[in-house]
Amino acid sequence: EDQVTQSPEALRLQEGESSSLNCSYTVSGLRGLFWYRQDPGKGPEFLFTLYSAGEEKEKERLKATLTKKESFLHITAPKPEDSATYLCAVRGNTGFQKLVFGTGTRLLVSP
Amino acid sequence: DAGVTQSPTHLIKTRGQQVTLRCSPKSGHDTVSWYQQALGQGPQFIFQYYEEEERQRGNFPDRFSGHQFPNYSSELNVNALLLGDSALYLCASSPWLSGADTQYFGPGTRLTVL
Repeated sequence: EDQVTQSPEALRLQEGESSSLNCSYTVSGLRGLFWYRQDPGKGPEFLFTLYSAGEEKEKERLKATLTKKESFLHITAPKPEDSATYLCAVRGNTGFQKLVFGTGTRLLVSP
Repeated sequence: DAGVTQSPTHLIKTRGQQVTLRCSPKSGHDTVSWYQQALGQGPQFIFQYYEEEERQRGNFPDRFSGHQFPNYSSELNVNALLLGDSALYLCASSPWLSGADTQYFGPGTRLTVL
């Protein structure tokens, strides 16, 4: 069964203090790894899709990377508005478009 | 371009009642998936609809059922509500045949069961 584990559960950073979030996964045939940002009480907002090991994608202060067992979301010089829960999800080849999510990392960036 | 929309925003029900949640997909999308997100957890897949048929189902009881209409919008129905059904219910849409895997989520419906 496909499984996603995210660490740490919570992370507190000072503004400008760079760090990384981890997403470890086991999946039968990776069809895609997805990063979403979720603000409290809102729906997840799409950030990145990665398909194969070695792939990297960037958007503003965020950079996502992928290996055969894990993905990292690197946050460079974060700002308070980057505070949110970051969710990682995988799609395997067991059928259709079902996403399996981790429990997320709650990020708090203090000014 | 309108994104995924859901209604209602919030809903309060009592145990044993039935509820219907609604979702309109993003323009150009024909596939709708429903997820349940309990507080502090990641979303859990309920089921997915394409061409008005349920295509895949997660580990949810038959009390959870759905429907997709010809305009691609969808409903999620939950019967005999339990306290444990309290959660944020998320709808996500995507295009089926384009091969694009990314699912776009709506704002969710917060269901509280008393």
